[in-house]
Amino acid sequence: QKEVEQNSGPLSVPEGAIASLNCTYSDRGSQSFFWYRQYSGKSPELIMSIYSNGDKEDGRFTAQLNKASQYVSLLIRDSQPSDSATYLCAVNPGYGNKLVFGAGTILRVKS
Amino acid sequence: DAGVIQSPRHEVTEMGQEVTLRCKPISGHNSLFWYRQTMMRGLELLIYFNNNVPIDDSGMPEDRFSAKMPNASFSTLKIQPSEPRDSAVYFCATTKSYGGYYNEQFFGPGTRLTVL
Repeated sequence: QKEVEQNSGPLSVPEGAIASLNCTYSDRGSQSFFWYRQYSGKSPELIMSIYSNGDKEDGRFTAQLNKASQYVSLLIRDSQPSDSATYLCAVNPGYGNKLVFGAGTILRVKS
Repeated sequence: DAGVIQSPRHEVTEMGQEVTLRCKPISGHNSLFWYRQTMMRGLELLIYFNNNVPIDDSGMPEDRFSAKMPNASFSTLKIQPSEPRDSAVYFCATTKSYGGYYNEQFFGPGTRLTVL
């Protein structure tokens, strides 16, 4: 079983809709969770971090964490074509400060 | 502020040649990570350093790969000899580590390596 799992997609949503991206992780000791956005041919860009159970909002982005279910999600409200990218979930497994990345979910926002 | 700087941005070489990738971390960041990204394997951690000391090199694929961090401002990843299967995008990322688990990593632009 992979340590961090994401649906590869592509996830297609119409412009203006809510995009929901999901991630599960296997290590119960995981301490911190991050979402990165990666445009084609570019490097990963940090968009959200979350450390405690519950929701964290930043503009159109909301990260949700449920440690009991080992589940973290990213909601993008009012999706725009410029949100079309691959979204990578990253987890600190609780030892050292390294991150384990999921394979990413491709998001396509159609105008 | 300058972000993570990597050079070269693109490298094309022939099998058997030595390749050296370079990274300059964000000023004040004391942890540095080398990643490799391919379509097949995604983003993989190769090695990381804290305060210039290698902490975890379990992701280094084989002895052909080596990494150094001689000072807080510079790191290299070397492949000798290179092979076609080493073709990938290599990223350097850095963070300011406070000793906990809540360290946000920032990525450089990457080096696209092609080994013919």
